[in-house]
Amino acid sequence: KAGVTQTPRYLIKTRGQQVTLSCSPISGHRSVSWYQQTPGQGLQFLFEYFSETQRNKGNFPGRFSGRQFSNSRSEMNVSTLELGDSALYLCASSLVVGSNYEQYFGPGTRLTVT
Amino acid sequence: SQQGEEDPQALSIQEGENATMNCSYKTSINNLQWYRQNSGRGLVHLILIRSNEREKHSGRLRVTLDTSKKSSSLLITASRAADTASYFCATDARYKLSFGAGTTVTVRA
Repeated sequence: KAGVTQTPRYLIKTRGQQVTLSCSPISGHRSVSWYQQTPGQGLQFLFEYFSETQRNKGNFPGRFSGRQFSNSRSEMNVSTLELGDSALYLCASSLVVGSNYEQYFGPGTRLTVT
Repeated sequence: SQQGEEDPQALSIQEGENATMNCSYKTSINNLQWYRQNSGRGLVHLILIRSNEREKHSGRLRVTLDTSKKSSSLLITASRAADTASYFCATDARYKLSFGAGTTVTVRA
């Protein structure tokens, strides 16, 4: 089975621009989560989608948004980029079984904001 | 804010030695998971232990969970150079994982 794929892998943007990152989950997985990883803040939860519905959201400003399509693929968008948005953005998909689930992570998108 | 906190922050051991790292968390959990990350790449799921379990093994990994102390430990036995990575504990609550800051393990040949 193919793993979680994320595109693009690397991205350089300028302050004030917007960016869209894409994530394709493992086939059959309907839950997709997004995380931001920085040296200072570590791994922080952004949001989670299941069957095109956002079920949980982390403590990030409204500039960060996401969506999920009917085929479970997900995108996240960051508008009006700031230098502090430079980070590794990780997507993870899950096959939810009861209340316990493992997350399978993609390789991440490294975003640099200059 | 992070739910879990790992200890120590960094660990350097000789190949063949055991590595132990600890995780403490703050609130009630459904389960606790451990992940590995190799130099800024994606995370790899290692093991999940449910709140009603006390110990779990997977290959060279042994995880314990003490819900009364809100803590968990990960033991890697007979370490190898390929075990060099950052290890994170994560608690599961309402469709999200909260990660600790991680323990960076360096295995010297």
